[in-house]
Amino acid sequence: DTAVSQTPKYLVTQMGNDKSIKCEQNLGHDTMYWYKQDSKKFLKIMFSYNNKELIINETVPNRFSPKSPDKAHLNLHINSLELGDSAVYFCASSHGTANTEAFFGQGTRLTVV
Amino acid sequence: GESVGLHLPTLSVQEGDNSIINCAYSNSASDYFIWYKQESGKGPQFIIDIRSNMDKRQGQRVTVLLNKTVKHLSLQIAATQPGDSAVYFCAENIGRGGSQGNLIFGKGTKLSVKP
Repeated sequence: DTAVSQTPKYLVTQMGNDKSIKCEQNLGHDTMYWYKQDSKKFLKIMFSYNNKELIINETVPNRFSPKSPDKAHLNLHINSLELGDSAVYFCASSHGTANTEAFFGQGTRLTVV
Repeated sequence: GESVGLHLPTLSVQEGDNSIINCAYSNSASDYFIWYKQESGKGPQFIIDIRSNMDKRQGQRVTVLLNKTVKHLSLQIAATQPGDSAVYFCAENIGRGGSQGNLIFGKGTKLSVKP
């Protein structure tokens, strides 16, 4: 059984388009995250949601808007895509936010052309 | 073999040898640390964690050492196998007041195991 699943796995789109990435976890966790991994493999947190409420919003352009319809889902919508948005986006979840491991999805490779 | 993380992002070892991957973390208030393994095309996977009240923790073939004085973390892999080839990340939990924290990742070290 997949614990944290993201769709799609690959996404190729043109500049200026709007796209969404979906994430679901079946671990019963109350906290979900979005991370961005650049071409140098650097992983940076973007958003953190606890019980459907935003608790961390790192310096991310407001073109990125997370939506959490329930505790098991955290979707990422991106408006007006730019070339620099090309990266691998990882969803993760954890039980609580302090001193706990996060479980990661397989990633969504976004390529903006 | 030994890596100093940020300065030597690639570590190449012979199968059967021990590997040591190092990481310097940033915040002296961090109280929880994790090592993750990321294989090509996959998400990071938990390997082992350690809390700040410990200086050593052992798992199956892996050992994590924590030196809070110099803010240094290391991952030792015994008898390295080809399946250990991956990028390894250390992550620290930085509290944001109360129990709210988030994991901050280091830059990663690529481990290549030669058969």
